[in-house]
Amino acid sequence: EAQVTQNPRYLITVTGKKLTVTCSQNMNHEYMSWYRQDPGLGLRQIYYSMNVEVTDKGDVPEGYKVSRKEKRNFPLILESPSPNQTSLYFCASSPRTANEKLFFGSGTQLSVL
Amino acid sequence: AQSVTQPDIHITVSEGASLELRCNYSYGATPYLFWYVQSPGQGLQLLLKYFSGDTLVQGIKGFEAEFKRSQSSFNLRKPSVHWSDAAEYFCAVGATGGSYIPTFGRGTSLIVHP
Repeated sequence: EAQVTQNPRYLITVTGKKLTVTCSQNMNHEYMSWYRQDPGLGLRQIYYSMNVEVTDKGDVPEGYKVSRKEKRNFPLILESPSPNQTSLYFCASSPRTANEKLFFGSGTQLSVL
Repeated sequence: AQSVTQPDIHITVSEGASLELRCNYSYGATPYLFWYVQSPGQGLQLLLKYFSGDTLVQGIKGFEAEFKRSQSSFNLRKPSVHWSDAAEYFCAVGATGGSYIPTFGRGTSLIVHP
């Protein structure tokens, strides 16, 4: 089944403790991206990747890192999480660009205490 | 810079009634336009997409949307709402002008009364 898989679904952590949210797609998509969803703000893009080893900032990249060492994986790294990063996070992929259908993961609810 | 406005935070309709969700965008040329739906606890799913051609676009689950250039609008419609349509709906403008970053609206929450 074609899908984007995020893990974990729920994560509670404390300020400053490094964490990684994984994202994997099995559709051989070139374009992958991360979003955060906050009430009243919709989805805002954090980072995107056009292909392996090619990543770039979205609208709200501060406090986040990403890497794209393999085509299928696009992990989101929070090296020193802070409470303002408490949010619902989504990974998405598409065949080539953001102007095609985006396939979304089921989301990761992160709480930073 | 492009922007998307969904003026209604919540919409309440009765099951079987018609539905229209509003979306206005700001961009100099014709952008890529999308409607996504997010069911509780789920990721977003594409309902339909427009870039060119017929301004009335048919999507999945019986939804359609009409692009109106003169009004910079891309409203989503459904003639008869089902209880399972209760969800959050997002309008989005695709990446434009050399950017690779799409812009999402704030979302409209649809409540369906039996």
